[in-house]
Order: sequence, then structure tokens, then C-alpha cells
Amino acid sequence: EVQLVESGGGLVQPGGSLTLSCAGSGFSFSSYWMSWVRQAPGKGLEWVANIKQDGSEKHYVDSVKGRFTISRDNARNSLYLQMDSLRAEETAVYYCARLDRSGYYLDWGQGTLVTVSS
Amino acid sequence: DIQMTQSPSTLSASVGDRVTITCRASQSISFWLAWYQQKPGKAPKLLIYKASSLDSGVPSRFSGSGSGTEFTLTISSLQPEDFATYYCQQSHSYPYTFGRGTKLQIK
Repeated sequence: EVQLVESGGGLVQPGGSLTLSCAGSGFSFSSYWMSWVRQAPGKGLEWVANIKQDGSEKHYVDSVKGRFTISRDNARNSLYLQMDSLRAEETAVYYCARLDRSGYYLDWGQGTLVTVSS
Repeated sequence: DIQMTQSPSTLSASVGDRVTITCRASQSISFWLAWYQQKPGKAPKLLIYKASSLDSGVPSRFSGSGSGTEFTLTISSLQPEDFATYYCQQSHSYPYTFGRGTKLQIK
């Protein structure tokens, strides 16, 4: 059974930093693109970032470029999202997701809540 | 960026009804479209990929169609567990974008 378990969410002040982690199991982690998707309270889904199997290719939504960094450690079956200079409007549940090569989301974690507030 | 426009934003229906949700892309995305179901407090779940392929384990009452810029998700006979919010998503090009969702509620 595929499992994706996020951690690292919490309360952070505007301008602060936070690193999210996602532990994958039940599949060959190193064989898949991975992704972060967020959902603000009561709102829709927003793609944040994707990373290729070996980490050699990364893509970001424009609004986070230069502030967020996606990375992975295939030896630990783990995905990360380093978030700097956080803004109040980035308060959201952040989901880790396993991506098919065609770009759709095969599996999702349960999400971790990031609250950006003073 | 490719904009995905879903309609309606809210849909009221009864158990047993046939319902259709539409997703329009601002430019052609061929068949690079997926549909997800999300229930309150839960992660989304993949239903349909490549516009019309049913994901494993998804009931056959769900179907998808379309290509280019116009797509539909149809539920042939609504079941109580189908009341949820549905999202479309394009993976034709970056940035990947989602529709704003259709909330399917009980009439």
C-alpha cells in the first residue's frame, strides 16, 4: 500500500521559514516524480512544485520561485519543501503527492497545515 | 498559464441522478486532464486521468470525456458517497493548474 506521510507544519510568523517533510513507502520512491500541492482554508488546490526522480529537474509555481526549494533524498524515501519568506496568504494545508509521468497525481498524503500569522 | 474553468461551481442533485461537470481549458491541452474527488478534511483522490481513463478501483458510474479545451466528468447514477467536491487538473504544461472545484451537494 502506498503511503505518504507529511510532517513539519505549524505556526510561523510572516517572513519566517519552515521545512516540510514527506516520507514515502509502499512504492519505489526513486522511480517517481514527486510534488507539493497546497490548499488554503476553504479554497481550491494549487500546485506548488515538482521534482524529477533524481532531483535533476525542478519546477515551481511563479509565486514561490526564489523562496521555496523542493528536494528529495531517495536513500531515505523522503521529499522536502524548504519554505522561506513565508506570507500570510500561504497559510494552507500542504500535500505531498506521487506523480505519474503524465503529470497527474496518483497518491496524496494526508497533508500538513502551515499557518503564517503573527 | 493555462486557466481551467469548471462549471457549475455548485451542483445540487439527488441519489440516482445523472450529473455532468464541465471543465474548459483556456488553450488546447489535448487529453492531459485529470479529475479528482475530495471529501471534507481529506486529501483528493484520483478518479480519471488522460481525460477518459478510469483509475483502478474507481466505480464505473464515473466517466470522463473530451479533448482539446472542453472536458466533462459524468456520474451516471449518484450514490450517497459521491457528494463531494470535484476538481479538474491539466498537466499539458507548467504551471500545472486546477479548476476551482465543483461542490456536489444533496438536493
